[in-house]
Amino acid sequence: QVQLQESGPGLVKPSGTLSLTCAVSGGSISSSNWWSWVRQPPGKGLEWIGEIYHSGSTNYNPSLKSRVTISVDKSKNQFSLKLSSVTAADTAVYYCAVVPAAIDAFDIWGQGTMVTVSS
Amino acid sequence: QSALTQPASVSGSPGQSITISCTGTSSDVGGYNYVSWYQQHPGKAPKLMIYDVSNRPSGVSNRFSGSKSGNTASLTISGLQAEDEADYYCSSYTSSSTHWVFGGGTKLTVL
Repeated sequence: QVQLQESGPGLVKPSGTLSLTCAVSGGSISSSNWWSWVRQPPGKGLEWIGEIYHSGSTNYNPSLKSRVTISVDKSKNQFSLKLSSVTAADTAVYYCAVVPAAIDAFDIWGQGTMVTVSS
Repeated sequence: QSALTQPASVSGSPGQSITISCTGTSSDVGGYNYVSWYQQHPGKAPKLMIYDVSNRPSGVSNRFSGSKSGNTASLTISGLQAEDEADYYCSSYTSSSTHWVFGGGTKLTVL
């Protein structure tokens, strides 16, 4: 059973870059899955940020596309999120999740990590 | 404003059945059978309950069922239990460049 674990700074300064990593265990990041990032501002709903395939192919939410980069590190079996020029509106719990080839849905989620944008 | 529309709240008594709707467009819910539902308890990560409109992942109670008609998908929970009290989100693949969209979430209260 695949497990996901997010890690990264919990506090980022305005105009800075948010950087998070999702470690994959119990499976290979090179399997036929799409690896995604989803966020949830406090008290609000879920927002899809983007996804990556092990080949490096990516898809991003157009509303964030100019600021988002998702990358994969096969040697470490992990994938990462970078969000630049952050503002308070980017304060949220950030989740990594996996969309398996056979299930067109976010099947497994990490526990989430809270990131606050504040000076 | 979320791409998919859900009621903000629903409630029911133990043992009853409730249905949560999720309305989209022909570009998402109506155009693909890639509708999924998630349960989220406070402070926890979402949990997949239904995928591809009506399929249950292994381990999910058969009290949870999903369906779709046109641009509206529905989640039905039968035999309500106290542990079902949570937020529920629908999601769909979309032909737009957004790829995946979520509903705004529905808070289920078990009276």
